[in-house]
Amino acid sequence: KNEVEQSPQNLTAQEGEFITINCSYSVGISALHWLQQHPGGGIVSLFMLSSGKKKHGRLIATINIQEKHSSLHITASHPRDSAVYICAIRTGTASKLTFGTGTRLQVTL
Amino acid sequence: NAGVTQTPKFRILKIGQSMTLQCTQDMNHNYMYWYRQDPGMGLKLIYYSVGAGITDKGEVPNGYNVSRSTTEDFPLRLELAAPSQTSVYFCASITGANTGELFFGEGSRLTVL
Repeated sequence: KNEVEQSPQNLTAQEGEFITINCSYSVGISALHWLQQHPGGGIVSLFMLSSGKKKHGRLIATINIQEKHSSLHITASHPRDSAVYICAIRTGTASKLTFGTGTRLQVTL
Repeated sequence: NAGVTQTPKFRILKIGQSMTLQCTQDMNHNYMYWYRQDPGMGLKLIYYSVGAGITDKGEVPNGYNVSRSTTEDFPLRLELAAPSQTSVYFCASITGANTGELFFGEGSRLTVL
């Protein structure tokens, strides 16, 4: 069993829909990252969370440390949000990252 | 521009050849990492470094070597390339433990034929 599980693996939405991507993990962490990767592109860190909730534009990320669960929400989705969203947990003194396998999101007009 | 710079972006190797992927960051980050990304799999840690002169193995180190002679540079060496090393490689860096923000290079797509 992977230490980081994401759901769903694939998601198709229409423009304007509210989207939720979930991430569960099984070990203690120092932080959790939500990352975005466009097709053939690099990886960008959207959020780093160690508690609570963060918001940036139409993106909201939450984490429940006790439940070992995090969610990424996209409000009013747009085709440019189409990408792979990856959850990664940071553990240990060397801050090593363990990654989920990603959620592929496609937003259509 | 500040950030993590990886070269080359693309490379095709023949089986048995060797090469070095370069990674440089200008943010004075202590922690640097090399990951590989294979289709349908999460990124896997190859090697990491917590400071100049200090390196350690990750999950999948076989067939690779690294060095960290300066804070800025963290090259990844592939010796005797094999088809199993066909992948996309990402270098990443963090300021320090626990709370530092994470930065990735643009990736290097390597094909071994």
